[in-house]
Amino acid sequence: DSGVTQTPKHLITATGQRVTLRCSPRSGDLSVYWYQQSLDQGLQFLIQYYNGEERAKGNILERFSAQQFPDLHSELNLSSLELGDSALYFCASSQGLDPMQQYFGPGTRLTVT
Amino acid sequence: EDKVVQSPLSLVVHEGDTVTLNCSYEVTNFRSLLWYKQEKKAPTFLFMLTSSGIEKKSGRLSSILDKKELFSILNITATQTGDSAVYLCAPYIRSYGKLTFGQGTILTVHP
Repeated sequence: DSGVTQTPKHLITATGQRVTLRCSPRSGDLSVYWYQQSLDQGLQFLIQYYNGEERAKGNILERFSAQQFPDLHSELNLSSLELGDSALYFCASSQGLDPMQQYFGPGTRLTVT
Repeated sequence: EDKVVQSPLSLVVHEGDTVTLNCSYEVTNFRSLLWYKQEKKAPTFLFMLTSSGIEKKSGRLSSILDKKELFSILNITATQTGDSAVYLCAPYIRSYGKLTFGQGTILTVHP
């Protein structure tokens, strides 16, 4: 158990819908990272927040957005969902700005039908 | 564009065999390279390599980085069925604070 929690574990929704994935980092960690893992794209970095501020952006679609709240939990919002958004979404956390030795949560499996 | 290539894509061995997994990369502002093991769920950290030629070891696993030739290898000796997993490498780019993951090597160890 890494100490990073993600909810929900599984999510099944229809195309065009919007969902919110939630992540609570390890106690004391200020950085939260979001990743998407699909069969064809592998594990891809989406976005990083540090202490409430966006710090780094990867291959995140405009339909996706994220935020980190004052209590340091983070939410990833996915809208206008498409079949291709079906994937495993991981959140990870680290103490500082560097992603080295970040700890991954168990992931949320999103299925878009 | 940053590029990370892992080989082989898939490997099937028997318990007791030794395997070598490869990771080559072309990224700007390279800082370190990380190896992760992913079983059914989240990736777990194995190694971080920053300097060339210095082997890192953890039990039966070892890894080394060659910054001149831009590659790293992960060795697993005396493999066990519990080593079956996807092994991911990820260069860390200094400027952007992000990890770029390779597509992974799927290792299957049969008893």
